[in-house]
Amino acid sequence: AQTVTQSQPEMSVQEAETVTLSCTYDTSENNYYLFWYKQPPSRQMILVIRQEAYKQQNATENRFSVNFQKAAKSFSLKISDSQLGDTAMYFCAFMIYTGANSKLTFGKGITLSVRP
Amino acid sequence: DAGVIQSPRHEVTEMGQEVTLRCKPISGHDYLFWYRQTMMRGLELLIYFNNNVPIDDSGMPEDRFSAKMPNASFSTLKIQPSEPRDSAVYFCANRKGDTGELFFGEGSRLTVL
Repeated sequence: AQTVTQSQPEMSVQEAETVTLSCTYDTSENNYYLFWYKQPPSRQMILVIRQEAYKQQNATENRFSVNFQKAAKSFSLKISDSQLGDTAMYFCAFMIYTGANSKLTFGKGITLSVRP
Repeated sequence: DAGVIQSPRHEVTEMGQEVTLRCKPISGHDYLFWYRQTMMRGLELLIYFNNNVPIDDSGMPEDRFSAKMPNASFSTLKIQPSEPRDSAVYFCANRKGDTGELFFGEGSRLTVL
């Protein structure tokens, strides 16, 4: 079974600064996808960024970027120039591509607070 | 498109009552997932459908839980009878294709007294 571990339950960062959220996963598969989802207080889960395991280049979406270390099975999220609206829970998720049986496994999440 | 629509947003009920949660998926998104979120267990996948057919229900905790997808526009998750430990936020999510982005609804917060 695949597992996703987010060992930090909470983090805090000053507005405009940079923060890195950690995630590790465990799998014996070679073809998979990794995701970071954001859950603001409104509760709705929103995709932040996605990485295909076969791609060596780290994914980037505006202020959000990942550090994907395949050998170490690590997938951290870096948020640059933090904004108050970044305050949310962040979930790391993993999916093995198996066609119709592809499904996401989520970590427990980390609560990020951005201080003004 | 309005996105994934779930109802009700909040439900408070008493132990033993039947609860029905509803989901209207995004048109054309062929996968539908039901997740449960609690503080203790995080996000758990309960069941998912592909083209209205249940693919994997191994996450359904007990026989008290059942889910249906009678057509591409509607799915329900039913709990009968409900228990206090069922209190959680239940999410419906959709995906287009095998590797597309997962779109979530706003969730239904269930409280069983």
